[in-house]
Amino acid sequence: EDQVTQSPEALRLQEGESSSLNCSYTVSGLRGLFWYRQDPGKGPEFLFTLYSAGEEKEKERLKATLTKKESFLHITAPKPEDSATYLCAVQDSHYNQGGKLIFGQGTELSVKP
Amino acid sequence: KAGVTQTPRYLIKTRGQQVTLSCSPISGHRSVSWYQQTPGQGLQFLFEYFSETQRNKGNFPGRFSGRQFSNSRSEMNVSTLELGDSALYLCASSLAKAALNTEAFFGQGTRLTVV
Repeated sequence: EDQVTQSPEALRLQEGESSSLNCSYTVSGLRGLFWYRQDPGKGPEFLFTLYSAGEEKEKERLKATLTKKESFLHITAPKPEDSATYLCAVQDSHYNQGGKLIFGQGTELSVKP
Repeated sequence: KAGVTQTPRYLIKTRGQQVTLSCSPISGHRSVSWYQQTPGQGLQFLFEYFSETQRNKGNFPGRFSGRQFSNSRSEMNVSTLELGDSALYLCASSLAKAALNTEAFFGQGTRLTVV
């Protein structure tokens, strides 16, 4: 059964204190791994897609990496506006093309000034 | 360009009633997926529509149904509402070109409260 596990559940950082969020996954075949950011009361905002092990993508203070079993979201010198819940999701190539995303429970990040 | 639009944003319904939620995808996107988000279960996949056909389905009871129109707009219906159906319902759209993996963009959601 496809499964996505994110850790830690919650992370509190001081402004400027770099850290990493982990996403471990189990799928029969990985079509893609996605990172989203979600603010309270809003829909998830797309950040990155990773397709194959060894791939890396960056956007401002965020960098996502992928191995065969997990992905990391590295946050460098975070600012208070980076506070949000970060969601990881996978697409299993077993399914009929398409958009079924399997989500982890998320990591709630809080950055204090 | 305009994002994914969901209406209404908020709904309060009584147990036993039915409800219809609407989603307008990003222009040009042909795939629309629906998700239920609750504090306990997180984001769970309901179903996906592509070119007016249901392409994938999650593990929800038959009370949850959907459809897609020729302009790619989609509706989701929940019949015989239960208290446990209270959740944020999210719609996502993607280009979904054949054999390619494309990003899914989410709307702001419809907050459904069942009393």
